[in-house]
Amino acid sequence: EVQLVESGGGLVQPGGSLRLSCAASGFTFSTYSMNWVRQAPGKGLEWISYITGSGSPIYYADSVKGRFTISRDNAKNSLFLQMSSLRDEDTAVYYCARRTGGYQYFDSWGQGTLVTVSS
Amino acid sequence: DIQMTQSPSTLSASVGDRVTITCRASQSISRWLAWYQQKPGKAPKLLIYEASSLENGVPSRFSGSGSGTEFTLTISSLQPDDFATYYCQQYTSYPWTFGQGTKVEIK
Repeated sequence: EVQLVESGGGLVQPGGSLRLSCAASGFTFSTYSMNWVRQAPGKGLEWISYITGSGSPIYYADSVKGRFTISRDNAKNSLFLQMSSLRDEDTAVYYCARRTGGYQYFDSWGQGTLVTVSS
Repeated sequence: DIQMTQSPSTLSASVGDRVTITCRASQSISRWLAWYQQKPGKAPKLLIYEASSLENGVPSRFSGSGSGTEFTLTISSLQPDDFATYYCQQYTSYPWTFGQGTKVEIK
């Protein structure tokens, strides 16, 4: 069974940093591209970052480009999102999501981790 | 960027009703469209991909259609478990974008 478990969320002040993790199991992690998708409170879904199984190429949404960094450790079956220069509008539940083999839609999601940016 | 617009934003329906949700893309996306269901406090769940292909394990009362810029998600007979928010997502090009969601409420 595919499992994705996010961790690392919490309360952070504006301008601060946070690192999210996503532990994957139940599939051959290194062969799948992965994504981060977020959802602000009461709002819709926003794709924010993508990384291939090998670690390159990488894509970001304009809203996080230059502030967030996606990475992965295939030996540890883990996906990461390093977030810096955080803003109030980054407050959201952050999901890791697996890209289905050939196309960029998401067939498995974690339960999400809440990031709150507030002073 | 490709904009995805869903209608309606909220839909009130009764158990047993036939329900249709529309998703429009700002430019042609061929059939590269997925639909997700999300319940409060839960992660989204993939229902349909490539506009009309049902994900494994999804009940057959769900169906999708369309191509180009206009797509529909239909629930043939609404069940209590179907009250949720539904999102479309295009995957033809970066950045991959979602519709704003359609909440299906109990009438």
